[in-house]
Amino acid sequence: QKEVEQDPGPLSVPEGAIVSLNCTYSNSAFQYFMWYRQYSRKGPELLMYTYSSGNKEDGRFTAQVDKSSKYISLFIRDSQPSDSATYLCAMGFGAAGNKLTFGGGTRVLVKP
Amino acid sequence: DAMVIQNPRYQVTQFGKPVTLSCSQTLNHNVMYWYQQKSSQAPKLLFHYYDKDFNNEADTPDNFQSRRPNTSFCFLDIRSPGLGDAAMYLCATSRGLTSVADTQYFGPGTRLTVL
Repeated sequence: QKEVEQDPGPLSVPEGAIVSLNCTYSNSAFQYFMWYRQYSRKGPELLMYTYSSGNKEDGRFTAQVDKSSKYISLFIRDSQPSDSATYLCAMGFGAAGNKLTFGGGTRVLVKP
Repeated sequence: DAMVIQNPRYQVTQFGKPVTLSCSQTLNHNVMYWYQQKSSQAPKLLFHYYDKDFNNEADTPDNFQSRRPNTSFCFLDIRSPGLGDAAMYLCATSRGLTSVADTQYFGPGTRLTVL
């Protein structure tokens, strides 16, 4: 079993819809949680990070962490074709050298 | 703009022929990382430098080496590339290692093809 599980997709939605992405993990010691966006043939770009449980909102993006269920989510409101990319979740331990464990990524396609 | 730069963006090498990938950063970050990412897979950390201190992941093959001659530059050397080493190689940097604010910033990657 992988430490971090993420559905590879592809997830296809019409423009303007809400995109819902999630990851599950097995290690309860993870303390901080990140979402990266990766366009084709480019490096990952940090979208959001959260520390411990709760919600965080940034523009059209909302990240949720439920540590009791070992489940994190990213929601993208009013999706645009430019949101078409692979979204990677990543997790880390606060005091363990900043090592990140990534999910495999979910490919999202927003159709005009 | 401060950034992480990788050269070349695309590299083709022959089976067994040594190859070097380059990363530079203008962020003045202390930490530089190298990841390997195969198609549709998660990035896999190979090693990182904190300043001049080298930290190798336990499962990184000996075939992969790294050099960091100064703060700005870091190199990935693959001594004898095999077909299984074809992948995207990502360089990342972070200010430090111990704070949640020490987020990692990635370069655009070098796509390596092994013939």
